[in-house]
Amino acid sequence: GNSVTQMEGPVTLSEEAFLTINCTYTATGYPSLFWYVQYPGEGLQLLLKATKADDKGSNKGFEATYRKETTSFHLEKGSVQVSDSAVYFCALSASPMDSSYKLIFGSGTRLLVRP
Amino acid sequence: GAVVSQHPSRVICKSGTSVKIECRSLDFQATTMFWYRQFPKQSLMLMATSNEGSKATYEQGVEKDKFLINHASLTLSTLTVTSAHPEDSSFYICSARKKGLAGWETQYFGPGTRLLVL
Repeated sequence: GNSVTQMEGPVTLSEEAFLTINCTYTATGYPSLFWYVQYPGEGLQLLLKATKADDKGSNKGFEATYRKETTSFHLEKGSVQVSDSAVYFCALSASPMDSSYKLIFGSGTRLLVRP
Repeated sequence: GAVVSQHPSRVICKSGTSVKIECRSLDFQATTMFWYRQFPKQSLMLMATSNEGSKATYEQGVEKDKFLINHASLTLSTLTVTSAHPEDSSFYICSARKKGLAGWETQYFGPGTRLLVL
């Protein structure tokens, strides 16, 4: 079945450090991949997405590239800020040919950025 | 934009009572909405898929009679936790699926409802 595996957190970084949060997936067909962010006490916000192999999603300085050969979608940011402290979820959605369109989430990675 | 609201944002109730949570898509029509449950420091667990005008599809292990879902219009889905007990205390999040220009559909999430059952 489809699944998403994320690196365990928490990840603690100093401000302006480089961020990588690893995400790998298992899926049949050609899934779409997402990163969602959840700030404390809030719901999820879509951060970025990629719908096909080699696509790069980017937003607010974050980026992730859909790597089909390594089944990965690692999240990166060159210089993190304190305001980036949140929980980040990697997710996949099955091929559009799948009528369920369910999102399958990874376990989430908590990021803490210190001043 | 694509805004999804939930009401209430926080609710405290006594054991044995029922609680209704509303999920609204404010600026688009959503034929499908999803209900998730999130335990502290854990990922989201899909509870059910709510389709406008038809019965909800529940995930394995989710009690249909416990978590009643109604999707009466293209902008509103409700989740009713019946005869709530302390173990039902959780963060409930809904999402609504919106079709984009290219036909691609993306889920937009509500801010969540924190339920505490005493």
